[in-house]
Amino acid sequence: GIQVEQSPPDLILQEGANSTLRCNFSDSVNNLQWFHQNPWGQLINLFYIPSGTKQNGRLSATTVATERYSLLYISSSQTTDSGVYFCAVEQSGWGTSGSRLTFGEGTQLTVNP
Amino acid sequence: GAVVSQHPSWVICKSGTSVKIECRSLDFQATTMFWYRQFPKQSLMLMATSNEGSKATYEQGVEKDKFLINHASLTLSTLTVTSAHPEDSSFYICSARRGQGLYEQYFGPGTRLTVT
Repeated sequence: GIQVEQSPPDLILQEGANSTLRCNFSDSVNNLQWFHQNPWGQLINLFYIPSGTKQNGRLSATTVATERYSLLYISSSQTTDSGVYFCAVEQSGWGTSGSRLTFGEGTQLTVNP
Repeated sequence: GAVVSQHPSWVICKSGTSVKIECRSLDFQATTMFWYRQFPKQSLMLMATSNEGSKATYEQGVEKDKFLINHASLTLSTLTVTSAHPEDSSFYICSARRGQGLYEQYFGPGTRLTVT
């Protein structure tokens, strides 16, 4: 199956700092999603981004499908950004009937005041 | 839009009993729903995929007789943990996809199960 690697595994920032999280995947994908898991466990959809670039406020993401990686940028970080960030991908070639999301191990982000 | 709910949000049960968890898509019809399991400090692991009106497809290593999944309608899927044991204690999360050709998944808030 497809492999998903996220880096770094842990990241500690001071409030106001910028950061970049990386997701590498081993095969072509139909779907790539970034999530933020809050302290209560809820997975919050950040981006659906199998290719290209998107921005939403202080967050932006870029996926370079041909090189099999995606980047999540967090600018001017806030304490509320703390939590685990997951990248998940769905391998091409299955259509929607037989495919599934494979999650990376996540990046634990801590933003200190 | 694309809201998924789960009920209950947490449950404590005694060993040997069964527990049912509901997953609902509130503002869309979900042709496919997924059930995941997450242990502390770990990533999400897919347990099974269910399509409305069909039998669920279980991932390798997941006991289908222990984790019963029913996708009775386009807005409701249920996971029943039968004869629960302490090792079944975990965080169970469902997700839903809107329709054929649409890949984005929307996740419920999760259900924390503790078996004593």
